[in-house]
Amino acid sequence: GAVVSQHPSRVICKSGTSVKIECRSLDFQATTMFWYRQFPKQSLMLMATSNEGSKATYEQGVEKDKFLINHASLTLSTLTVTSAHPEDSSFYICSARTEVVANEKLFFGSGTQLSVL
Amino acid sequence: AQTVTQSQPEMSVQEAETVTLSCTYDTSESDYYLFWYKQPPSRQMILVIRQEAYKQQNATENRFSVNFQKAAKSFSLKISDSQLGDAAMYFCAYRPHRGTGTASKLTFGTGTRLQVTL
Repeated sequence: GAVVSQHPSRVICKSGTSVKIECRSLDFQATTMFWYRQFPKQSLMLMATSNEGSKATYEQGVEKDKFLINHASLTLSTLTVTSAHPEDSSFYICSARTEVVANEKLFFGSGTQLSVL
Repeated sequence: AQTVTQSQPEMSVQEAETVTLSCTYDTSESDYYLFWYKQPPSRQMILVIRQEAYKQQNATENRFSVNFQKAAKSFSLKISDSQLGDAAMYFCAYRPHRGTGTASKLTFGTGTRLQVTL
């Protein structure tokens, strides 16, 4: 089945630094990628949607300049948390959708636990 | 806007027994998809089952089946012969049938934590 690789799985950084999270579709072309954030014991909250070659669409309340999303190719999307602060500590999950697969499934990465000290 | 509601924060079931997780949703669309995802302690999201709204027949995947009531906007998940490995968070999710990009996003419920006891 389709695989989405997300790296790193865990990252600890100092306050004020930037962190980049990568999401790759390994065996299919992802026309759309979604970035979610999940706080402990809570649901997944969509942060933004990215389409290859175009600007990401951010959900209301998500700071565009804080969470930079780049979808430069059909197999790679990145989320950069800029000037991270402790309140940005969370679990971030990407998912990828392809127009080729007709069964309308989304494929999820394994997530990244970000801890900002 | 679409909303998905899971009214059971936690459920418990004995091994080998059957449990039903509830989900209701609100939408003005007539065609859409509904999903149940499992999130074990590893936090990897795993698709359990998928239902297309235009199909009247309830979806089934081995021990997992749904009771899809379109008029009532209800989409419950039944787990039969529960196993220890079924213990996880379960999320109900909705997405419109049509749409690309952000219009194809999943809307998740708040989740139900399922415990499986011996």
